[in-house]
Amino acid sequence: GEDVEQSLFLSVREGDSSVINCTYTDSSSTYLYWYKQEPGAGLQLLTYIFSNMDMKQDQRLTVLLNKKDKHLSLRIADTQTGDSAIYFCAASKGGNNNDMRFGAGTRLTVKP
Amino acid sequence: GAGVSQSPSNKVTEKGKDVELRCDPISGHTALYWYRQSLGQGLEFLIYFQGNSAPDKSGLPSDRFSAERTGGSVSTLTIQRTQQEDSAVYLCASSLGFSPGYEQYFGPGTRLTVT
Repeated sequence: GEDVEQSLFLSVREGDSSVINCTYTDSSSTYLYWYKQEPGAGLQLLTYIFSNMDMKQDQRLTVLLNKKDKHLSLRIADTQTGDSAIYFCAASKGGNNNDMRFGAGTRLTVKP
Repeated sequence: GAGVSQSPSNKVTEKGKDVELRCDPISGHTALYWYRQSLGQGLEFLIYFQGNSAPDKSGLPSDRFSAERTGGSVSTLTIQRTQQEDSAVYLCASSLGFSPGYEQYFGPGTRLTVT
């Protein structure tokens, strides 16, 4: 299978919470990232978490990491139409090996 | 301030022709990365440059791909004898330092279409 996997599509209603899930295969991954890509724009780093953490919260964003299951999730509270974008999960080992592995991206659609 | 810029934004070329893609990183960023995003696929790492060190070419898909970084700043990705499977969006990113803790800032990408 792929190094980093995520579901391709997610649709939610405005005001609901969105949860985007990601799994990775390399247990030596040290840094886990979430990027957002809006139409016609480059990737924007939303947040990242170190592998020795299990949760990180930043305003409406909550990242949960289950290192045992190699599962990462991004929760967006009170989802807005402006949150519609493609969200990429990525993992890297750290050190000199900055070979970030990206998932294929989850397209989030927020319906009014 | 100015972000990472790439040119051209779109490139259509005939199979077998060579193409050059350009990336202007953020001033002062020592690390520069090239990725490829094919339709329905995740980003694929191609190559990175760190300062004046020799680039890590391990991700380049074939010997038709090469990259240069002149003066530690602007980078060009060259694809020789393009094939249809080279069609993708090519993304460039730069970061202040070379470690995963430094955020990579991405450019808008160059969409390459090989006909």
